Amino acid sequence: QKEVEQDPGPLSVPEGAIVSLNCTYSNSAFQYFMWYRQYSRKGPELLMYTYSSGNKEDGRFTAQVDKSSKYISLFIRDSQPSDSATYLCAIDQTGANNLFFGTGTRLTVIP
Amino acid sequence: KAGVTQTPRYLIKTRGQQVTLSCSPISGHRSVSWYQQTPGQGLQFLFEYFSETQRNKGNFPGRFSGRQFSNSRSEMNVSTLELGDSALYLCASSLYSGNTIYFGEGSWLTVV
Repeated sequence: QKEVEQDPGPLSVPEGAIVSLNCTYSNSAFQYFMWYRQYSRKGPELLMYTYSSGNKEDGRFTAQVDKSSKYISLFIRDSQPSDSATYLCAIDQTGANNLFFGTGTRLTVIP
Repeated sequence: KAGVTQTPRYLIKTRGQQVTLSCSPISGHRSVSWYQQTPGQGLQFLFEYFSETQRNKGNFPGRFSGRQFSNSRSEMNVSTLELGDSALYLCASSLYSGNTIYFGEGSWLTVV
């Protein structure tokens, strides 16, 4: 079983839609949860970082963590064509800097 | 503030050759990690260096090695290249091990 599983997509939505991206993980020892955005032929860019259950909001982005279900989500409100990218969830054990990544969900926002 | 800088950005090598990739972390960052990204396996952790010491290593063969210098700059080396080593190699830095990591643009390696 992989440490983290991510809905593979791809996902195609109209501009202005709410997007939901999801991952599940296997080990309850994981404490840190991140979402990265990766544009084509670029390095991943950190979007959200959280270490507790609940919601964390940053502009149009909301990260949600449910440790009891080992489930993490990223919501994008009012999606824009510039949000078109691959979104990667990542989880980390304390102090390891050894991130386990999901396989990524490719999102296309259609104008 | 400059981000993580990786060189070269693109390179083509022949099977059996070796390659060295370079990474300059964000100024002040002391931890450098390396990842391999391929379409089939996604992003996989290679190793992490902190204060010139390898702290953690992923599940890769010994052909993959790295080092970190006193100025926190890092290099990774792949010897006896195989076709399957074709990938995007990403370097990431953080202030300390366990902090948020920031990625560079990556080095695209093609092995022919």
